[in-house]
Amino acid sequence: KAGVTQTPRYLIKTRGQQVTLSCSPISGHRSVSWYQQTPGQGLQFLFEYFSETQRNKGNFPGRFSGRQFSNSRSEMNVSTLELGDSALYLCASSYGGGARYNEQFFGPGTRLTVL
Amino acid sequence: DAKTTQPTSMDCAEGRAANLPCNHSTISGNEYVYWYRQIHSQGPQYIIHGLKNNETNEMASLIITEDRKSSTLILPHATLRDTAVYYCIVTAGTYKYIFGTGTRLKVLA
Repeated sequence: KAGVTQTPRYLIKTRGQQVTLSCSPISGHRSVSWYQQTPGQGLQFLFEYFSETQRNKGNFPGRFSGRQFSNSRSEMNVSTLELGDSALYLCASSYGGGARYNEQFFGPGTRLTVL
Repeated sequence: DAKTTQPTSMDCAEGRAANLPCNHSTISGNEYVYWYRQIHSQGPQYIIHGLKNNETNEMASLIITEDRKSSTLILPHATLRDTAVYYCIVTAGTYKYIFGTGTRLKVLA
């Protein structure tokens, strides 16, 4: 099975711009989660989608949004970029069942740099 | 805040067993313990998980204490490629992983 893919892998933007990141989950996985990783804050949960519905979200401002399509692919959008949004953005997919079978498989991430 | 506490760093000699502890004293009855590792700047990799019984797979063993307040991940024969940050997470399937700071394991040649 192909793994989780994320595009683009690297991105440079300037403050005030917006950005859209894409994630393709493992075939058969219906859950997609997004995380932000920075040296100062570590790995932080952004949100999770299952069957096109957001099931949970972390403590991030409304500038961070996401969506999931009927084929389970997901996108996240960050509007009005700030310098502090520079981070590695990770996507993870899973079957989306209960905690017993909730192994998440992570993609390689998108490294976003905001200048 | 993370529900788990792990040592910041550990060293292990190559070929020896690496035992990584995790404290989760506030774990609920329906919460599972999951372990992941992250090799420098790559996405985290799933290792193993369990509820209350000890578990073993091709990568590692997971030992959970009887009161479930702590667990130990065991890499039986550590190699240099096992150098990574190891995260212990407890989850009840809320699909919201809370990652702590993890343990930075360094395997020494």
